[in-house]
Amino acid sequence: DADVTQTPRNRITKTGKRIMLECSQTKGHDRMYWYRQDPGLGLRLIYYSFDVKDINKGEISDGYSVSRQAQAKFSLSLESAIPNQTALYFCATSDPGETDTQYFGPGTRLTVL
Amino acid sequence: LAKTTQPISMDSYEGQEVNITCSHNNIATNDYITWYQQFPSQGPRFIIQGYKTKVTNEVASLFIPADRKSSTLSLPRVSLSDTAVYYCLVGPNFGNEKLTFGTGTRLTIIP
Repeated sequence: DADVTQTPRNRITKTGKRIMLECSQTKGHDRMYWYRQDPGLGLRLIYYSFDVKDINKGEISDGYSVSRQAQAKFSLSLESAIPNQTALYFCATSDPGETDTQYFGPGTRLTVL
Repeated sequence: LAKTTQPISMDSYEGQEVNITCSHNNIATNDYITWYQQFPSQGPRFIIQGYKTKVTNEVASLFIPADRKSSTLSLPRVSLSDTAVYYCLVGPNFGNEKLTFGTGTRLTIIP
């Protein structure tokens, strides 16, 4: 969905490096989410934010941090990347007024060597 | 959030109707049932949502029995482009912050 963009789309990095993945949305939604997906598995929630001042941990937040810079921007950071954080990362937005349907970005493929 | 159970995989031929059933025995009174579709290396996409009985849109139909302990996503006359993973999610319409996608059902359409 072009309304939700993620940068970079692909990233290869080394163990121990700090990485930031960025998400921007033009849908005007207050709610934003970060998920990771490992091959053959479903999506797992890392962090979510219901508005600029609200940040919540998901089921796998260890090793990650987030920043909600504005309604439209939600960044995910890996403070010290490790190989088992190699995965496909998705950002999503939703609006509870629209049945809370989630709209996903195109994903960022991260490889940690 | 109600746990869901759906088949890991299904195969079907082009042109057939495909029904994917999801079990959610512990569904709560204020829970809705939502289905998403995911193509390889893309984010999931909303297909349909319902609370009870039947819902139909231009893509699919959703059948929900009276006890709401299961639901069936129906895809009419599938084509190769319907090959994807389909996720069934159950949760409150407002505040499904702990959404659990599970592994979904991998549907493969055969020419």
